[in-house]
Amino acid sequence: EVQLVESGGGLVQPGGSLRLSCAASGFTVSSNYMSWVRQAPGKGLEWVSVIYSGGSTYYADSVKGRFTISRDNSKNTLYLQMNSLRAEDTAVYYCARCGSYYLYFDYWGQGTLVTVSS
Amino acid sequence: EIVMTQSPATLSVSPGERATLSCRASQSVSSNLAWYQQKPGQAPRLLIYGASTRATGIPARFSGSGSGTEFTLTISSLQSEDFAVYYCQQYNNWPLTFGQGTKVEIK
Repeated sequence: EVQLVESGGGLVQPGGSLRLSCAASGFTVSSNYMSWVRQAPGKGLEWVSVIYSGGSTYYADSVKGRFTISRDNSKNTLYLQMNSLRAEDTAVYYCARCGSYYLYFDYWGQGTLVTVSS
Repeated sequence: EIVMTQSPATLSVSPGERATLSCRASQSVSSNLAWYQQKPGQAPRLLIYGASTRATGIPARFSGSGSGTEFTLTISSLQSEDFAVYYCQQYNNWPLTFGQGTKVEIK
């Protein structure tokens, strides 16, 4: 059974950093395209970043240069390093597996809330 | 950036009735279009990909159609568990973009 479990969210001050983790089971992270999608409180979904099985990475313009997606193959875990956080980064962050090398999302984690506030 | 526009914003439907949700892309996305369902406090759930292919385990009352810039999600006979917010997403161009959502509520 495919499972994705995020952790690492919390309250952080503007300008601060946070690292989110997404532990996967039931499949191999490194063999799939993996992504982060966020949802601000009461708002819609916003794609954040993707890492291809080959290691290439892509980012939304809103986070480019501040966020870094990565994975640890030995731990079968996806990460999102978030630096220079802003109030507008406040959201529930979901990790998601992409389906069959296409960029739709067939499995989602339960999400972890990041709140950026002083 | 491709803008995805969903209509209506809210759809009031009685159980057992048919619901038709629309999604329009600002430029062609071919058939690279997915639909998701999200209930309060839950993660989104994939319903449809490739504009018309149901995801694993999705009931046959959900169907998708369209290509290019105009897409439709149809729920043939609404069940109580179908009242939720529905999002479309294009994956043809960077950045990946979602519509703003259609809330399907009980009439």
